[in-house]
Amino acid sequence: EAQVTQNPRYLITVTGKKLTVTCSQNMNHEYMSWYRQDPGLGLRQIYYSMNVEVTDKGDVPEGYKVSRKEKRNFPLILESPSPNQTSLYFCASSPSRDRDEQYFGPGTRLTVT
Amino acid sequence: SQKIEQNSEALNIQEGKTATLTCNYTNYSPAYLQWYRQDPGRGPVFLLLIRENEKEKRKERLKVTFDTTLKQSLFHITASQPADSATYLCALDIDYGGATNKLIFGTGTLLAVQP
Repeated sequence: EAQVTQNPRYLITVTGKKLTVTCSQNMNHEYMSWYRQDPGLGLRQIYYSMNVEVTDKGDVPEGYKVSRKEKRNFPLILESPSPNQTSLYFCASSPSRDRDEQYFGPGTRLTVT
Repeated sequence: SQKIEQNSEALNIQEGKTATLTCNYTNYSPAYLQWYRQDPGRGPVFLLLIRENEKEKRKERLKVTFDTTLKQSLFHITASQPADSATYLCALDIDYGGATNKLIFGTGTLLAVQP
C-alpha cells in the first residue's frame, strides 16, 4: 500500500530533550516536506527536500533540523524542544516539486512541557 | 499582506443538499490551487487540483471553480452525505520563480452534514 508513515504518533517530552520524528514514504517520491498545524494558523511548512541531500527552509524553520540521506526517509529533528513547538506535525511527499498532489502522513502530536 | 481566507465558522447543511465552501485570497497570484479533506486526527487527503487557466474542474460529486479576477475558489459537494463531514482545506501553489514553488494552506472550513 502506497503510504507515508510517521513515528511516533504521539510524544510528550520535556524542554531541551532532543527528539527525532521519523518519516518514510514507499512511493519513490522525490519531494518531501514537513508541516506543523496549529489552531487558527493552518498548515505551515517547516522544511522541504527536493531530492536526496537537497533540503531547504520553509516558512517556520527555527528550532528544527532535517536530513535526507535516502530518498524514502526525511526525519525531523528538534535539538532542544521548547513549549512553543507543541503542535501537530505532518510529513508529506509528492512525485516532484511541480504542483503535484501531496501525500500526507498520519501526523505526530507533540507536547513539550 | 498576503492572506488566504476560508470560513472559520462551521458550515452546517442537510443531507442531500449542495455544500459550497469558499477560499478567498489576496496579494497572491497562484498558478494552481488544490483542495484537501482532513478528518479529525488525520493527515489531509488530496481531492482536486485546478490550474489558473481552468475555470472549473469536476470529480464525481465534487466541483471546483477558480476565478483569478475575484481571487476566489469555490468548492462544491453535490448530494452531500454525512460521510462528507470533515474539514476542507484550500492550498495555493505559488510560483516563486526559478525552480521554486510552494503550497500555502488556508486554515480550513469544517463541514457538518446532518442526516
